[in-house]
Amino acid sequence: EVQLVESGGGLVQPGGSLRLSCAASGFTFGDYYMTWVRQAPGRGLEWVATIKHDGSERYYVDSVKGRFTLSRDHATNSLFLHMDSLRVDDTAVYYCGRGSAASGIDHWGHGARVTVSS
Amino acid sequence: SYELTQPPSVSVSPGQTAYITCSGDELGDKFASWYQQKPGQSPVLVIYQDAKRPSGIPERFSGSNSGTTAALTISGTQTMDEADYYCQTWDRTTEVFGGGTKLTVL
Repeated sequence: EVQLVESGGGLVQPGGSLRLSCAASGFTFGDYYMTWVRQAPGRGLEWVATIKHDGSERYYVDSVKGRFTLSRDHATNSLFLHMDSLRVDDTAVYYCGRGSAASGIDHWGHGARVTVSS
Repeated sequence: SYELTQPPSVSVSPGQTAYITCSGDELGDKFASWYQQKPGQSPVLVIYQDAKRPSGIPERFSGSNSGTTAALTISGTQTMDEADYYCQTWDRTTEVFGGGTKLTVL
């Protein structure tokens, strides 16, 4: 059974940092693109970032470029999103997903809540 | 930046056909996916690569994509289909979701 479990969310002050993790199991991690999608309270889905199956390329939404870094560890089947210079408008539930727009994100985690507030 | 436009809401009676559109520049030249999200739950992929249905998704869900419009069709809509629906595509190195459509079944 495919499982994606996010962790690392929480409350952080504006300008602070946070690292989200996504533990993947039940599939060959290195065969898939992986994606982070976020959803602000009461709002729609927003694509954040995608990493190729081999980690060779990463793509980011303009609003997080230079602040967020996406990485993956094939030894531990984990996906990471390191978030720096956090802003109030980064407040959202962050979902880890298997796949990308090209193939469809066919499995999603339960989400990690990130709140940026003073 | 690339944008996808969806109607904010669609209403349908149980048993009828629901039709949700998603518009974008030359969208028909790209692949579109569709996701269903119910309150408090993670999204679920219901259509990928325009018209393919993942395993476990009922046959009443179908998709199409041509010109500037992708569409999700739900035939014989059931009350359990009431949810928010989002389209998705990508352009060069950017992925994008539509704003979402709230489907009401009443």
